[in-house]
Amino acid sequence: KQEVTQIPAALSVPEGENLVLNCSFTDSAIYNLQWFRQDPGKGLTSLLLIQSSQREQTSGRLNASLDKSSGRSTLYIAASQPGDSATYLCATVAGNMLTFGGGTRLMVKP
Amino acid sequence: NAGVTQTPKFRILKIGQSMTLQCTQDMNHNYMYWYRQDPGMGLKLIYYSVGAGITDKGEVPNGYNVSRSTTEDFPLRLELAAPSQTSVYFCASTHGSNQPQHFGDGTRLSIL
Repeated sequence: KQEVTQIPAALSVPEGENLVLNCSFTDSAIYNLQWFRQDPGKGLTSLLLIQSSQREQTSGRLNASLDKSSGRSTLYIAASQPGDSATYLCATVAGNMLTFGGGTRLMVKP
Repeated sequence: NAGVTQTPKFRILKIGQSMTLQCTQDMNHNYMYWYRQDPGMGLKLIYYSVGAGITDKGEVPNGYNVSRSTTEDFPLRLELAAPSQTSVYFCASTHGSNQPQHFGDGTRLSIL
């Protein structure tokens, strides 16, 4: 059974810092890995999807990497802004099913 | 652009009552999913469907039922509500398992 872990559970940083969120998974037999953002009281918004054959994906200030052999993915946020404050979740995809980590709650202080 | 629409947004039920959570999407996605999210936790898959007439169990299906009579709609039914079903329920859809999932805003359900 796939288990997905996200560390840290919470993170508080001053505006402008570059930061890294970590995601680890136990079963490397995945189709892809997805990163989501969740704002309080809202659903999830897809940020980046990395196919199993890819090593990384970039969108604006976000860069996600995938190392299947070590069971790790990282989400790098450059020049963080207060508007980046949210919970970030990663999920592995195998077959038709997503397995989610518990999320990292990020607070970016002005 | 409506995307994925869930109703109701909030509901309080008594133990033993039943209800249906509605989910509809206007993106012509074949794949639809129901998740529950407990406080401070990630999402757990309840049921999913890969097309009209086809449904399958996820990780936590006990106490729930689904149907998929149309591409657009994927309702989730609770037959005998229990306090353990207090949660936030999310519906999602996608074109395929290698495509991003689109989520609704959730239904917050309390069972007292």
